[in-house]
Amino acid sequence: EAGVTQSPTHLIKTRGQQATLRCSPISGHTSVYWYQQALGLGLQFLLWYDEGEERNRGNFPPRFSGRQFPNYSSELNVNALELEDSALYLCASSYRGHGYTFGSGTRLTVV
Amino acid sequence: GDSVTQMEGPVTLSEEACLTINCTYTATGYPSLFWYVQYPGEGLQLLLKATKADDKGSNKGFEATYRKETTSFHLEKGSVQVSDSAVYFCALSDDSGNTPLVFGKGTRLSVIA
Repeated sequence: EAGVTQSPTHLIKTRGQQATLRCSPISGHTSVYWYQQALGLGLQFLLWYDEGEERNRGNFPPRFSGRQFPNYSSELNVNALELEDSALYLCASSYRGHGYTFGSGTRLTVV
Repeated sequence: GDSVTQMEGPVTLSEEACLTINCTYTATGYPSLFWYVQYPGEGLQLLLKATKADDKGSNKGFEATYRKETTSFHLEKGSVQVSDSAVYFCALSDDSGNTPLVFGKGTRLSVIA
């Protein structure tokens, strides 16, 4: 069974640009969670999607947004990139809060 | 709201030393508790979990016991190896399944030969 897959693995963007990160959950999982892990810091919860709807949102500005598609894959968009957005972005999936599984992450670097 | 507090690192140990990483939590109801491990350059992997009081989770020589009376879930290993060097995260999920996992800040462990 394929795990949670994230793409791209690495992404380099210029300040002010937009970044799009993608996540495919484990088959059968309907929830997708996004976390930000900045260097030296813990995991900060960003967004939670379930059955195509945004269920919860962490303390991040509106330029962090996303969506979940009918096949339960998800996209995280970060607009107007700032240097401090440089981080590892982790996606996790679950079925109704059970079986949480993480992907390997996308390393976003803003220069 | 629910929260997890874990000891701050970094923790540096010699090979074969004993490890304890403290984790305490605040939650209503009966949460499930987890330890995740993050090896350098990788995502998070589930190390072990416990879903009710007095449960002991174990994996790869690591153990943690769900102590409701002390609201704790300390991670222990009797003899660490260099390959155990990683960041360890304690986490909880509430019993409703309606909130995302709540993580501690992580503890970096370095094991030296």
